[in-house]
Amino acid sequence: EAGVAQSPRYKIIEKRQSVAFWCNPISGHATLYWYQQILGQGPKLLIQFQNNGVVDDSQLPKDRFSAERLKGVDSTLKIQPAKLEDSAVYLCASRRIRRGNTGELFFGEGSRLTVL
Amino acid sequence: SQQGEEDPQALSIQEGENATMNCSYKTSINNLQWYRQNSGRGLVHLILIRSNEREKHSGRLRVTLDTSKKSSSLLITASRAADTASYFCATVNDYKLSFGAGTTVTVRA
Repeated sequence: EAGVAQSPRYKIIEKRQSVAFWCNPISGHATLYWYQQILGQGPKLLIQFQNNGVVDDSQLPKDRFSAERLKGVDSTLKIQPAKLEDSAVYLCASRRIRRGNTGELFFGEGSRLTVL
Repeated sequence: SQQGEEDPQALSIQEGENATMNCSYKTSINNLQWYRQNSGRGLVHLILIRSNEREKHSGRLRVTLDTSKKSSSLLITASRAADTASYFCATVNDYKLSFGAGTTVTVRA
């Protein structure tokens, strides 16, 4: 079974520029998550999708961040315009929904963003 | 906001020793999970313990959960150099999964 795929692995941009990250979850996984992990900290949830609907985006800075999950499969996370504090690793994870079982998350390798 | 808080922040041990880390949380949970993250990589699920369970084992891992104290511990026995990583607890409540800040474990050869 293929894992969660993310691209690009690394991205360096200047502040006020835009950037997009792509995630392809494990086939059949209905739930998809985007987390932001700042160096030395734990992952912070940005947005959670169930199929192509948003379950939780309460911590997504909506003035600059946007995310979509077309057709309930791939997802894109965009930042526009980027700020210095957006420098972080953006982790995508997916989970299969089983009745009565919250289940484990499967993570991609992450996309490391550096904003100069 | 992060639900879990791990303790200690960092731990350095000799190969073959045991490593213990703790996680405290604030609200009720459905289950608690532990993940490992090697440097520059994604997180890997280690073990899940449900709110009605008190202890669980998986290979060299032992997890305990005390819901009255809102705390969990992860024990890694007979540590190896390959166990060098950051370990995160994640609390699950109503399908929302929240991570703590993690414990960085260094195993010295």
